[in-house]
Amino acid sequence: EPEVTQTPSHQVTQMGQEVILRCVPISNHLYFYWYRQILGQKVEFLVSFYNNEISEKSEIFDDQFSVERPDGSNFTLKIRSTKLEDSAMYFCASSEVETQYFGPGTRLLVL
Amino acid sequence: EDKVVQSPLSLVVHEGDTVTLNCSYEVTNFRSLLWYKQEKKAPTFLFMLTSSGIEKKSGRLSSILDKKELFSILNITATQTGDSAIYLCATSGTYKYIFGTGTRLKVLA
Repeated sequence: EPEVTQTPSHQVTQMGQEVILRCVPISNHLYFYWYRQILGQKVEFLVSFYNNEISEKSEIFDDQFSVERPDGSNFTLKIRSTKLEDSAMYFCASSEVETQYFGPGTRLLVL
Repeated sequence: EDKVVQSPLSLVVHEGDTVTLNCSYEVTNFRSLLWYKQEKKAPTFLFMLTSSGIEKKSGRLSSILDKKELFSILNITATQTGDSAIYLCATSGTYKYIFGTGTRLKVLA
């Protein structure tokens, strides 16, 4: 069964460093999303992406964040200068229309 | 402001019990309501509901949507310990999904 994959599974970084989180969505899906979940809190929408551009973004998704689809398969989330409060689980999801399928997540720890 | 509210926040039951989880919403550009189960890591999809009054079923789980009263329920009958998880409700609008805080269900043997 096709699935969304994410790498790395865990990332530890120093405050101020740039990180890139990678996702491979399900191949025939057209819509891509990033979410984050701070430990013990709810899943928060960051951004959606369709047709090679951002469709919608939340207040969390400020200038420190960017997304890219550098080739036909990968979908990346870049955090330019990480802050302590960026520590969270980051989930990628993709959908053909509306039903989203989530990847296993990348746990980011900013020290 | 768009919001999705789930209740109860947590629930402890015994195996064999039936549970009802609630989700109410206020969102603009509502398109559908989705239920997910979150165990250790990523949410896994359970149901997507777009029309009022049509029950969706999958084994012991069922769900229904009321678009007039803006809520949905998720029922689990004959609960098992493997049903222990956080159940998430989310609404989809135009390109945007909003999640509730979830209901943490614990099923005791």
